Formats: sequence, C-alpha cells, structure tokens
Amino acid sequence: DSGVTQTPKHLITATGQRVTLRCSPRSGDLSVYWYQQSLDQGLQFLIQYYNGEERAKGNILERFSAQQFPDLHSELNLSSLELGDSALYFCASSVREGYSDTQYFGPGTRLTVL
Amino acid sequence: AQSVAQPEDQVNVAEGNPLTVKCTYSVSGNPYLFWYVQYPNRGLQFLLKYITGDNLVKGSYGFEAEFNKSQTSFHLKKPSALVSDSALYFCAVSPNAGNNRKLIWGLGTSLAVNP
Repeated sequence: DSGVTQTPKHLITATGQRVTLRCSPRSGDLSVYWYQQSLDQGLQFLIQYYNGEERAKGNILERFSAQQFPDLHSELNLSSLELGDSALYFCASSVREGYSDTQYFGPGTRLTVL
Repeated sequence: AQSVAQPEDQVNVAEGNPLTVKCTYSVSGNPYLFWYVQYPNRGLQFLLKYITGDNLVKGSYGFEAEFNKSQTSFHLKKPSALVSDSALYFCAVSPNAGNNRKLIWGLGTSLAVNP
C-alpha cells in the first residue's frame, strides 16, 4: 500500500457526462500528479500540482481540468466524456517536486464511458 | 527530443533463470532513472532509482539495475526469476535540468515468468 488513495475505484458513465476523480496524497507529500493509462496510448502524464499550484502540464485535453486543495487532496474533472476517455486514471504523489523525488502511485480509478 | 525506450514489448523467462528488462534513454545531462512495476489491476509500485554513485542499484523484491552512462542504459535485472514477478515493468527518466520536472516514461515491458 503506497499511502495514496483514489476514489472511486470504478466509474461507469455515458458519453457527454462529467465526472470527478479524487486523490489523497501520502501524508506529508506536497506534489500530486495525474496520469491516464490506456491500452493504445500507454501511460500518459496529464498534470502536476505542487502545494496547490499547477506546475507542469502534459497531454491533458481542454475538456479535463484539475485542482489541488488546501488540504492537498486533488480532483481531476473530466467533462463532455467520449468513448476514448475510457482508461485507468492514476494519481501519484511525491514529497516535493525535485527531479529525484520518487512518485508513489495510487490504485487508480477505472473509467468506462459507454 | 528526450525519450525512453523499452525495446522489448514482452520478455519470457523460466522460473529460476536470470531476467533482464532493458531500458535505454535519450536525455541530455545527468538524468535520474527509475523502475516501476505494475501488477494486474494495480497501481504502479516503485522498485528502485539511480541518482548518483554506484552504478549498480539494488531495489525491492530482489531486483537491481545497472546504470551505464556510455550506453545510456538502465537495465533491470534479477538473478533468479519468480512466477510472481510476472507483471508490467516501466522505466522512467527525470531530466534533472530545466523547468520541466515531469518524468519521461517508457511504454512498458510485459514480463512473463513461466513455471
């Protein structure tokens, strides 16, 4: 158990809908990262927050947004969902945002868009 | 462009035999290197990382990795494979320079250990 928690574990929804994925980092970790893992695209970095501020952006669609709250938990919002958004979404956390900091991953949220 | 390559999509090895999962990178400077493992329907678990010092890094579950700067490689190894090592393995590189601190990930290598 990495200490990173994600809810829900599974989410099934319809195209056009909006969902929110939640992540609680390990105690003491200030950085949160979001990733999308699909069979055809592999592991894709979406976005990173550090102590409430956005720090890095990857291949995140405009329909997706995220934030990190004062208690350091983070939410990833996915809107106008499409079939292709079906994937595993992982959250990871690290103590700081240094180059050598290890990222610890949560168990993931499996999103299915029907 | 900076990149990480895991040249083998799948590696098959018999239980008890040594295993190697390959990783090469194309990143300027002195990067930091990581290995993660993903068991079915689970999140990624950190195995080990190279920051500096001894080129042979020891990690969790008996795994080790050898950093080779001249060959820009960071291959994952284990002297004696277990069936329970069957999983997806990811190599990742941190550029250690610039404003972009995000990891560069390989596409993963599926390891199958046969009994």
